Amino acid sequence: DAGVTQSPTHLIKTRGQQVTLRCSPKSGHDTVSWYQQALGQGPQFIFQYYEEEERQRGNFPDRFSGHQFPNYSSELNVNALLLGDSALYLCASSSPTGAEQYFGPGTRLTVT
Amino acid sequence: KNEVEQSPQNLTAQEGEFITINCSYSVGISALHWLQQHPGGGIVSLFMLSSGKKKHGRLIATINIQEKHSSLHITASHPRDSAVYICAVLTSGSRLTFGEGTQLTVNP
Repeated sequence: DAGVTQSPTHLIKTRGQQVTLRCSPKSGHDTVSWYQQALGQGPQFIFQYYEEEERQRGNFPDRFSGHQFPNYSSELNVNALLLGDSALYLCASSSPTGAEQYFGPGTRLTVT
Repeated sequence: KNEVEQSPQNLTAQEGEFITINCSYSVGISALHWLQQHPGGGIVSLFMLSSGKKKHGRLIATINIQEKHSSLHITASHPRDSAVYICAVLTSGSRLTFGEGTQLTVNP
């Protein structure tokens, strides 16, 4: 079992560009949550996908959008990148009960 | 005020010391997680608690639901325990709300 995987590991983008980050959940998990972690801070909840729909959303602008595919993998899209979007983006998958959460290694996004 | 507060923010200890990190929360939860994050970012789940106490090796986690408080203890600390320790609470719909983390440094 590969656990939760994320790609790419690192990414450098320019202000105004768009980025897509990818996450594959742990086998048997159907729920994927995305978190943003700025340097020196705790992660912040972006949104959660279940059954290919956004189930919950945190306090993030519409520039942040996502998608979940039938195989439960997920994408996070960020449009019109700002310098403040530079962060570690973490994906976590959970089982239908939602209690145990497993984290991916994260994608480090740098916006210049 | 954050929904999840951790203390201390930074902690430096000598190898072998007993360490305690505290977490208080102000919302209703279904469970509480203690997580470990090493430089580079990867997060590892140490414990998930909904009541009482759990022990794994030198790590012990306790939770008091009535007082909305949890503690993570490390016995006989070692330099390899140096990391950021994060408390996170599970609220409705399996959404995690995180504390700011405690940076632990254990010196040899």
